[in-house]
Amino acid sequence: DIQMTQSPSSLSASVGDRVTITCRSSQTINFYLNWYQQKPGKAPELLIYTASSLENGVPSRFSGSGSGTDFTLTISGLQPEDFATYYCQQSYSPPLTFGGGTRVDIK
Amino acid sequence: QVQLVESGGGVVQPGGSLRLSCAASGMTFSSYGMHWVRQAPGKGLDWVVVISHGGSRADYADSAKGRFTISRDNSKNMLYLQMNSLRAEDTAVYYCVNGRAGNYYELDVWGQGTTVIVSS
Repeated sequence: DIQMTQSPSSLSASVGDRVTITCRSSQTINFYLNWYQQKPGKAPELLIYTASSLENGVPSRFSGSGSGTDFTLTISGLQPEDFATYYCQQSYSPPLTFGGGTRVDIK
Repeated sequence: QVQLVESGGGVVQPGGSLRLSCAASGMTFSSYGMHWVRQAPGKGLDWVVVISHGGSRADYADSAKGRFTISRDNSKNMLYLQMNSLRAEDTAVYYCVNGRAGNYYELDVWGQGTTVIVSS
């Protein structure tokens, strides 16, 4: 199985900050990496697919990059509604696997 | 607008069974691969199973193999998860999710979830 490792597991940031979350896979997954946002008590939502493609309706302050085994989610100018938990997920091959999550809190 | 509504969750004793259902609307259901993903209380996301759009292929997480069975009825726009031999560690919110059209291993729209509690 492909293991996904996210870092950090949590971070504190202020509105307007630039935030970077990293995700590493245990083997190459090309660009088959997706990012999800989950707010407390809600279902996750797809933000970015195939490493860098923005899902419809997702603000352009979210961006993704990377390929192979190392990937990054960047939020450029954190907004109050962005405080949430973020997960990466590999869509290269089943069993599909998620990173452990990164909780973004208000500083 | 795609809508996925899960039902069938509840409290069940260890070793018991439960059948989850997911009603899909706002989409051509028969064109999409469908998933179940779960989340234990206070924990991260845990993928359970996927079924192809026609229902001919399914892939399971090791934790689900031999105990869970996914199925679908494209005539009714329904997805199911039959869960047998339930364990305490199966306690979670179970989400029904549709795969994206381009790559159905990408998890597109999520339902609101249904809660399964396995406890004596």
